[in-house]
Amino acid sequence: ETGVTQSPTHLIKTRGQQVTLRCSSQSGHNTVSWYQQALGQGPQFIFQYYREEENGRGNFPPRFSGLQFPNYSSELNVNALELDDSALYLCASSPPGQNMNTEAFFGQGTRLTVV
Amino acid sequence: AQKVTQAQTEISVVEKEDVTLDCVYETRDTTYYLFWYKQPPSGELVFLIRRNSFDEQNEISGRYSWNFQKSTSSFNFTITASQVVDSAVYFCALSPIKAAGNKLTFGGGTRVLVKP
Repeated sequence: ETGVTQSPTHLIKTRGQQVTLRCSSQSGHNTVSWYQQALGQGPQFIFQYYREEENGRGNFPPRFSGLQFPNYSSELNVNALELDDSALYLCASSPPGQNMNTEAFFGQGTRLTVV
Repeated sequence: AQKVTQAQTEISVVEKEDVTLDCVYETRDTTYYLFWYKQPPSGELVFLIRRNSFDEQNEISGRYSWNFQKSTSSFNFTITASQVVDSAVYFCALSPIKAAGNKLTFGGGTRVLVKP
């Protein structure tokens, strides 16, 4: 069990709406990353938060935004939802220190369906 | 830009057979990490192995082994004596050393089906 929890597990939204996904990082982890995984594809890096600030972003438009809180939990917000935003959204956390021998621990994901 | 390619989309084997998954990557970084993750139907990505780019020693960990060849940019993964519980989608991934296992670039995945 990784200790990374995401909510909700499933969500259905209408095109044009806004959505907020939540992630509680594993205890002691201060870095959180978000990934989008479309059906049948590999996850794609959206962005990372480190000590409450964005620390790197993938090729996603500004309507994908995030937050990290003092307890290191995180939110992913998506505005103006499009049908192509339907995917599994994965959160991953990793421990302090940008050193070697670390890996990201993933949550079970939030399945978002946009209709 | 980084890229990871897993040419095999699906592999089907009978229990106890060995399974080798291919992975080829592209990166301009001189140092980087390579990973294999497993994704069972529950959706959670499970970490399996990690290799630093400056260490080409191939190792065995239980039923898992890997063959890292920097000269050909390949990082292949083998499951020995497969079991039904190994059925899942397997992803090869790459991250810069400075990202320390984060900011992963994933391949498209290989679905492994182990039949009893």
